[in-house]
Amino acid sequence: AQSVTQLDSHVSVSEGTPVLLRCNYSSSYSPSLFWYVQHPNKGLQLLLKYTSAATLVKGINGFEAEFKKSETSFHLTKPSAHMSDAAEYFCVVSDQYRDDKIIFGKGTRLHILP
Amino acid sequence: DTEVTQTPKHLVMGMTNKKSLKCEQHMGHRAMYWYKQKAKKPPELMFVYSYEKLSINESVPSRFSPECPNSSLLNLHLHALQPEDSALYLCASNWPGNYGYTFGSGTRLTVV
Repeated sequence: AQSVTQLDSHVSVSEGTPVLLRCNYSSSYSPSLFWYVQHPNKGLQLLLKYTSAATLVKGINGFEAEFKKSETSFHLTKPSAHMSDAAEYFCVVSDQYRDDKIIFGKGTRLHILP
Repeated sequence: DTEVTQTPKHLVMGMTNKKSLKCEQHMGHRAMYWYKQKAKKPPELMFVYSYEKLSINESVPSRFSPECPNSSLLNLHLHALQPEDSALYLCASNWPGNYGYTFGSGTRLTVV
């Protein structure tokens, strides 16, 4: 069965420094992968998605992620953190058997230090 | 219109009450979803409607009753809830097979 593992439950970075949120996936086929962001008391917003096209995916707000099949990873990066990036981030994988299901990781809380 | 609109934003209800949550989208999406999210946890899938037919019920208790009156509207009827049902209820929509979901901002439900 597919799964995603977010390797850090909390990440703290200083404003203006790079952000790295780590995600490993497990899948017996070539999956679709996503990152969603959730600000406090808000719904989820799609940051970016990988669907077997280019392995480097650019998203909104300066975020990008690289699909590495050999490492089964899909890490999220941003060159320079902004205070408004403080939020919960979820790595998500498509379900192999159903096109109407996605599987969430447990989430990573990103803290931005002034 | 690129939004999923959920009403109400907040709801407090007693364990004997009947209430409904509403979700609306006008993007032409034909799949709509209900998720439940507890604090500091990822969303958990409850129901999926595809082309207005219920395609997934994740063994949700019958005190939660979904309804899809048309392709733009999704309701969640609530009856005799328990305090542990207090959570953020999220609605989402997409085209079936396109995994990029659009989520609403949710209804914060408190059962007293």
